[in-house]
Amino acid sequence: DTGVSQDPRHKITKRGQNVTFRCDPISEHNRLYWYRQTLGQGPEFLTYFQNEAQLEKSRLLSDRFSAERPKGSFSTLEIQRTEQGDSAMYLCASSKGHNTEAFFGQGTRLTVV
Amino acid sequence: TQLLEQSPQFLSIQEGENLTVYCNSSSVFSSLQWYRQEPGEGPVLLVTVVTGGEVKKLKRLTFQFGDARKDSSLHITAAQPGDTGLYLCAGYNQGGKLIFGQGTELSVKP
Repeated sequence: DTGVSQDPRHKITKRGQNVTFRCDPISEHNRLYWYRQTLGQGPEFLTYFQNEAQLEKSRLLSDRFSAERPKGSFSTLEIQRTEQGDSAMYLCASSKGHNTEAFFGQGTRLTVV
Repeated sequence: TQLLEQSPQFLSIQEGENLTVYCNSSSVFSSLQWYRQEPGEGPVLLVTVVTGGEVKKLKRLTFQFGDARKDSSLHITAAQPGDTGLYLCAGYNQGGKLIFGQGTELSVKP
């Protein structure tokens, strides 16, 4: 297993378009997390899953953001009607469970023009 | 609300100097994780500290977990330009969410 994989690595989109990112966690990991990060700051929590169940979604997120993990394996994060303020690095991490080490993918860099 | 506060936010030093980064909270954490992140990449896990008072060493990096499990520190001895990056501490809150400090941006000049 090569670790957490995210696709695409980079995405440039026009304002108002929808984008979808994919995350493939480490295979035996039950938990999957999504974060957003801007330059020089720590990752900001967006949402996380235990298997296919979405356990928590940040109140900071607008309704334009949605995430799924339909079969408890890979996950997708969709942003509808993108805005320039959505430009950031989107990070995915996975762990075996609560209070275990979390491992990150390389992130998807989104630029909204 | 459990929060992690890191200090300093920025650190610029010369090669060969020592430095310490702090991660503090008013809440108890069952464990804390330290990550290092390079520009354009995801954070890479360095170490997890679990037991109060625990000290872990990774080459020139020394990590300590406070006795009360509310704080942690990262000490780098004889820093090198390759140590440059964003250092992050993280811990699980009571709800099971992994939360992060704001990060410490380290620049080591040759």
